[in-house]
Amino acid sequence: DIQMTQSPSSLSASAGDRVTITCQASQDINNYLNWYQQKPGKAPKLLIYDASKLETGVPSRFSGSGSGTDFTLTINSLQAEDIATYYCQQFDNVPLTFGQGTRLEIK
Amino acid sequence: EVHLVESGGDLVQPGRSLRLSCAASGFTFDDYAIHWVRQAPGKGLEWVSGISWNSGSIGYAGSVKGRFTISRDNAKNSLYLQMNSLRSEDTALYYCAKGTSGSGNSLRDVFDYWGQGTLVTVSS
Repeated sequence: DIQMTQSPSSLSASAGDRVTITCQASQDINNYLNWYQQKPGKAPKLLIYDASKLETGVPSRFSGSGSGTDFTLTINSLQAEDIATYYCQQFDNVPLTFGQGTRLEIK
Repeated sequence: EVHLVESGGDLVQPGRSLRLSCAASGFTFDDYAIHWVRQAPGKGLEWVSGISWNSGSIGYAGSVKGRFTISRDNAKNSLYLQMNSLRSEDTALYYCAKGTSGSGNSLRDVFDYWGQGTLVTVSS
């Protein structure tokens, strides 16, 4: 199985900050990487697919980059509504696997 | 508008069985793969199983292989998960998630819509 490792596990930032979350795969997954946002008590929501493509309706302050084994989710100008846990997910191989999550808090 | 509504979650004893259902609407159900993803209380997301549009490809996580069976009824726009020999570690919120993979039989998928989940608690 492909292991996905996110860092940091938790993060506190101020409104307006630029936030970066990284995700590392245990083997090359090309660009088969998605990012999801999960707010407390809610189902996950797709933000980014294919490593860098913004899902329809997602604010442009979210962006994704990377390929191979190393990937990044960036949130420009953090908003209070971005408080959530963020997960990466690889779909290069079955079983599909997620990172352990990054919990984002606002200072 | 896409809707996925899970049902069937319950409190069950270890070793017993349970069947989950997911009712889909708002899209052409038999055009897409559908998956089950679970989340244990306070924990992260874990893919459980997926099934392609025509049931030609089926996959399971190692933790449930041999105990869980996924199926779908395209005539009823419904997805199912038969869970046997349940263990305490199966306690979780079970989400139904629509994939974006279409006419191919791949389960290598992006989850673009999710239900709200149904809670399974395995405890004596």
